[in-house]
Amino acid sequence: QQQVKQSPQSLIVQKGGISIINCAYENTAFDYFPWYQQFPGKGPALLIAIRPDVSEKKEGRFTISFNKSAKQFSLHIMDSQPGDSATYFCAASRSGNTGKLIFGQGTTLQVKP
Amino acid sequence: EAGVAQSPRYKIIEKRQSVAFWCNPISGHATLYWYQQILGQGPKLLIQFQNNGVVDDSQLPKDRFSAERLKGVDSTLKIQPAKLEDSAVYLCASRLSGLAGLRDIQYFGAGTRLSVL
Repeated sequence: QQQVKQSPQSLIVQKGGISIINCAYENTAFDYFPWYQQFPGKGPALLIAIRPDVSEKKEGRFTISFNKSAKQFSLHIMDSQPGDSATYFCAASRSGNTGKLIFGQGTTLQVKP
Repeated sequence: EAGVAQSPRYKIIEKRQSVAFWCNPISGHATLYWYQQILGQGPKLLIQFQNNGVVDDSQLPKDRFSAERLKGVDSTLKIQPAKLEDSAVYLCASRLSGLAGLRDIQYFGAGTRLSVL
């Protein structure tokens, strides 16, 4: 119920290509879905987030697609760049005063020049 | 604006020894989190503070882990005695307000990498 499952574990994309990372959740009480980006030796940093009242959110080259009925959401990175090479984590949380994030297992993205 | 500060960055200890990590959150952030990130996995919440009170410590191994947040600002996480499986990165994060919202972002520090030999 509390799990967030993320795939693939690793991804290699050519520069300029589209990177797609998928996540699935079980707990329908989750209502906040952020994506975090983590570079080696750094802490995770918020990239983009969505609430289930919208099906898509776009910020620059990054887009979240959300399918409430399937309990799935995905991150699309358009025109992938070598600087996007990092580990990406999806997460989910419930409204309330805790903000506790349940993280997926992470996807290591490598963008080849 | 200064970020979340953590120290030390790295720590190597032998099993059964004790270790402590320190976190200084972003100024004014009421909520503070400690996460454990095992290699190849996503961060897992250990404990959450709201000001200097514990909100959630359900996943904290209380027989060996302890944490405190002095005066609602800095926090320390202690492990005593350490086990091999405690090898991980310990991340501290802070958030501005007590209520979760789309704009209430958790800001993470760089973490402390612990190796237990």
